[in-house]
Amino acid sequence: KQEVTQIPAALSVPEGENLVLNCSFTDSAIYNLQWFRQDPGKGLTSLLLIQSSQREQTSGRLNASLDKSSGRSTLYIAASQPGDSATYLCAVDSGGSNYKLTFGKGTLLTVNP
Amino acid sequence: ETGVTQTPRHLVMGMTNKKSLKCEQHLGHNAMYWYKQSAKKPLELMFVYNFKEQTENNSVPSRFSPECPNSSHLFLHLHTLQPEDSALYLCASSPSRDSPLHFGNGTRLTVT
Repeated sequence: KQEVTQIPAALSVPEGENLVLNCSFTDSAIYNLQWFRQDPGKGLTSLLLIQSSQREQTSGRLNASLDKSSGRSTLYIAASQPGDSATYLCAVDSGGSNYKLTFGKGTLLTVNP
Repeated sequence: ETGVTQTPRHLVMGMTNKKSLKCEQHLGHNAMYWYKQSAKKPLELMFVYNFKEQTENNSVPSRFSPECPNSSHLFLHLHTLQPEDSALYLCASSPSRDSPLHFGNGTRLTVT
């Protein structure tokens, strides 16, 4: 059974800092890995999707890497801003007949002005 | 605006009530999903529908009954719930497996 762990559970940084969020998964046989953002009281917004054959994806100040063999992914946020404050969730699609994502508990990020 | 609309946003119900959650998407996606988000727990997949057919029931108790009348609408019918069913219920859709999920803003359910 796939399990996804995110470290740290919470992170507080000053504005402008570069930061890294970590995600690990137990079964390396994945179809893809996704990073989402969730603002309080809202649904999830997709940030990046990395296919199992890819090593990284970039979107603006965000860069996500994938090391399938070690069961790890990182989300790098450059030049953080207060508007980046949210919970960041990592999710893994382990393949199979259905599109089923296994989520981590998330990292709560606070960027202080 | 995510393209996936859920109603109501908030719902309080007693354990003997019957209520329904509604999800609507006009993104042309073929698959729709119900997820449950409880405090301090990861999101849990409940049901998957592909082209209106249920393809996944993740061992969900029968007091939760999904319905998908067409590929744009998804319902979750609730009856005789328990207080531990209080959670944020999220609907999502996707066009294909290679695309990310699009989530609604959820229904915050409180069972008293």
